[in-house]
Amino acid sequence: EAQVTQNPRYLITVTGKKLTVTCSQNMNHEYMSWYRQDPGLGLRQIYYSMNVEVTDKGDVPEGYKVSRKEKRNFPLILESPSPNQTSLYFCATRRGGRGYEQYFGPGTRLTVT
Amino acid sequence: GDSVTQMEGPVTLSEEAFLTINCTYTATGYPSLFWYVQYPGEGLQLLLKATKADDKGSNKGFEATYRKETTSFHLEKGSVQVSDSAVYFCALPEGQNFVFGPGTRLSVLP
Repeated sequence: EAQVTQNPRYLITVTGKKLTVTCSQNMNHEYMSWYRQDPGLGLRQIYYSMNVEVTDKGDVPEGYKVSRKEKRNFPLILESPSPNQTSLYFCATRRGGRGYEQYFGPGTRLTVT
Repeated sequence: GDSVTQMEGPVTLSEEAFLTINCTYTATGYPSLFWYVQYPGEGLQLLLKATKADDKGSNKGFEATYRKETTSFHLEKGSVQVSDSAVYFCALPEGQNFVFGPGTRLSVLP
């Protein structure tokens, strides 16, 4: 079954404590990305990766890091989380090239206190 | 840049009512167009898509037709069910990203 998995699904943490949200896909897709979803602001792209070792900033990259060492994994790293990073995060993947639909993970709800 | 405009709702309907959620877009050329649905507590799922003008995408009783003359991709369903309660997003690709509309929350009452 084609899947995008994220872990953890829920996380409550404190300001400044480094955390990583993992994302893994089994569809052999080249393209992966991270979004955050906030009320009234919709979905905003944080970072994306077009293939292994190729990453680029999206619309709201400040405060986040990513890495793409393997095709199937694309972790999102918050080195020093702050309360304004409290949000619902989604990983997504699609085939390379233009116009293909994206497949989304189930989401990670992060609360930073 | 490219953009998507959709009615934000919320939209509240009775079961078996007719649904229309409007979506218009601004884009260079003729991109593929998508409708995604987000059920409570879940990620976004592709509902339907159309890849060229006059194409009709359909799935689960939902339909949308790619109208280049009016730059629209309105979502319709003839008879909604309580299980259709969700947030619906219109979207199109822009470069390596996707542009999403703000989402329309639909509540269907029994």
